[in-house]
Amino acid sequence: AQTVTQSQPEMSVQEAETVTLSCTYDTSENNYYLFWYKQPPSRQMILVIRQEAYKQQNATENRFSVNFQKAAKSFSLKISDSQLGDTAMYFCAFMKLVGNQFYFGTGTSLTVIP
Amino acid sequence: EPEVTQTPSHQVTQMGQEVILRCVPISNHLYFYWYRQILGQKVEFLVSFYNNEISEKSEIFDDQFSVERPDGSNFTLKIRSTKLEDSAMYFCASSGRETQYFGPGTRLLVL
Repeated sequence: AQTVTQSQPEMSVQEAETVTLSCTYDTSENNYYLFWYKQPPSRQMILVIRQEAYKQQNATENRFSVNFQKAAKSFSLKISDSQLGDTAMYFCAFMKLVGNQFYFGTGTSLTVIP
Repeated sequence: EPEVTQTPSHQVTQMGQEVILRCVPISNHLYFYWYRQILGQKVEFLVSFYNNEISEKSEIFDDQFSVERPDGSNFTLKIRSTKLEDSAMYFCASSGRETQYFGPGTRLLVL
């Protein structure tokens, strides 16, 4: 079974600063995908960034980047130049290639302080 | 930009009643999913659907739940006899390949 662990229930960061959200996972699969989704107060799930396990290069999307450590089964999200609109719950998710089922972590509530 | 839509946005029902939650996936997507999120908890997988049949389902998805793609655009989740513990946010998602795009959710409250 796949499990995803987010060990930081809550975090805060000053506006314009950088913050890193941690995520670890457990799987016996060799090929899979990892995702970070953002859930603002509206509760819509919004894709932030995606990483293919077979790619060694860390994914980046503007101010968002990941540190993917496959051997350690770690997938952290770095948000640079934090903005007030980044305040949200962030979920790490794992997807195996067969079945496409997502396994979500418990989330990290991020607050950006002005 | 295409997006997944869900109706209704909110649904209040009495325990024991049947509810149908509706979703319109992104038009060229082939995989469809339902997830639920009980308030304050993580998002949980319910079921995935591909080629007009269930491809995978979780332990939560028991005989009270069913899914259907009644036409070329809609994807529905039916709960036959709702229980108090079915109160949650229900998300539909669709994907072409690996990235799943989520709808805005239906907030279901069972009284």
